Amino acid sequence: EVQLLESGGGLVQPGGSLRLSCAASGFTFSSYAMSWVRQAPGKGLEWVSAISDSGGSTYYADSVKGRFTISRDNSKNTLYLQMNSLRAEDTAVYYCAKRSATGTTGLRTGIDYWGQGTLVTVSS
Amino acid sequence: QTVVTQEPSFSVSPGGTVTLTCGLSSGSVSTNYYPSWYQQTPGQAPRTLIYSTSIRSSGVPDRFSGSILGNKAALTITGAQADDESDYYCVLYMGSGISVFGGGTKLTVL
Repeated sequence: EVQLLESGGGLVQPGGSLRLSCAASGFTFSSYAMSWVRQAPGKGLEWVSAISDSGGSTYYADSVKGRFTISRDNSKNTLYLQMNSLRAEDTAVYYCAKRSATGTTGLRTGIDYWGQGTLVTVSS
Repeated sequence: QTVVTQEPSFSVSPGGTVTLTCGLSSGSVSTNYYPSWYQQTPGQAPRTLIYSTSIRSSGVPDRFSGSILGNKAALTITGAQADDESDYYCVLYMGSGISVFGGGTKLTVL
């Protein structure tokens, strides 16, 4: 059974930093690209970032480019999102998501599994 | 910047059929955009329904189907049930590793 368990959310002041983690199990983690998706309170879903299966390629939404860094440790089956220079508008539930196909194809084909999300609140 | 468009809201009668669409503010959606569809109820994580235009995710009933209709991606729900009342989001792959969500459609079953 595929499981994705996010952690690391919490309250942080504007300008601060936070690192989210996503522990994956139930599939060959190193074979799949992964993504982060967020949802601000009362708003729709927003694609944030993606990373290739090897970790060698990373991709970002314009809204977070230069502030967020996605990474992965395939030896630990864990995905990360380092968030710096946080703003109030970054307040959201952050979801870890597994892509539906292996390799680079997975970057195109969509998500098949989601974690339960972790809440990040940016406020003074 | 290209925007992914969805109907803000839709309603369907129990047992009825509804088709939700996913378009582009400029241009046509094709299979090259690998449209995918997700269902979300309040307070819950999203659930994948369809990816790569028409592939149903594991465990999704065949009442849900995906296609390209004209210049848009489409999600069709047949035999609508009360628990289909949810928010539905589409995603399009824009190239260079970037995906974009539509604004979502709130489906009411009544």
